[in-house]
Amino acid sequence: EAGVAQSPRYKIIEKRQSVAFWCNPISGHATLYWYQQILGQGPKLLIQFQNNGVVDDSQLPKDRFSAERLKGVDSTLKIQPAKLEDSAVYLCASSSTAGSQETQYFGPGTRLLVL
Amino acid sequence: AQSVTQLGSHVSVSEGALVLLRCNYSSSVPPYLFWYVQYPNQGLQLLLKYTSAATLVKGINGFEAEFKKSETSFHLTKPSAHMSDAAEYFCAVSAPGSARQLTFGSGTQLTVLP
Repeated sequence: EAGVAQSPRYKIIEKRQSVAFWCNPISGHATLYWYQQILGQGPKLLIQFQNNGVVDDSQLPKDRFSAERLKGVDSTLKIQPAKLEDSAVYLCASSSTAGSQETQYFGPGTRLLVL
Repeated sequence: AQSVTQLGSHVSVSEGALVLLRCNYSSSVPPYLFWYVQYPNQGLQLLLKYTSAATLVKGINGFEAEFKKSETSFHLTKPSAHMSDAAEYFCAVSAPGSARQLTFGSGTQLTVLP
């Protein structure tokens, strides 16, 4: 079974530029999550999708971050414009359902450095 | 609201020694609890989870954890450390029936000394 795929793996941009990350979840997984992991901290949930609908985006900085999951499969997370404090690893995860006991399967992450 | 505290951001043990990584949680309802491991430049991998069945949970790679409600703890243990156990370990909590999913602790970096 293929795991969660993410690209790119690394990205370096200057502040005020825009950037986009892509995630392909495990086949058949209805629920998709985006997390931000700042160095030295645990992952923090940014947004959760159930199929192509948003379940929770309460911690997404909506003035600069946006995410979509067209057709309920792949997802894209965008930052525009980027700030220095956005430097982090962006992790995508998926689970078969949205239940709070469900195991989430994580991709390798995209490491973003904002200069 | 729920939260997780991992005591000790760095833990070092000798190869073959006991591994003990501490996790305390706060939750307004009986929680679900998870331990994830993260190797360098990789995503997180589930070690084990507690979902209100047996309080002693066995996971992969010889790890286990015990849910202690009276102590609000879910410490991770392994009887004998191996060099390959060196990684970062995250404890996480979720509340049954809640829309909010996992809340992670800040992680514990485990170093295994030869």
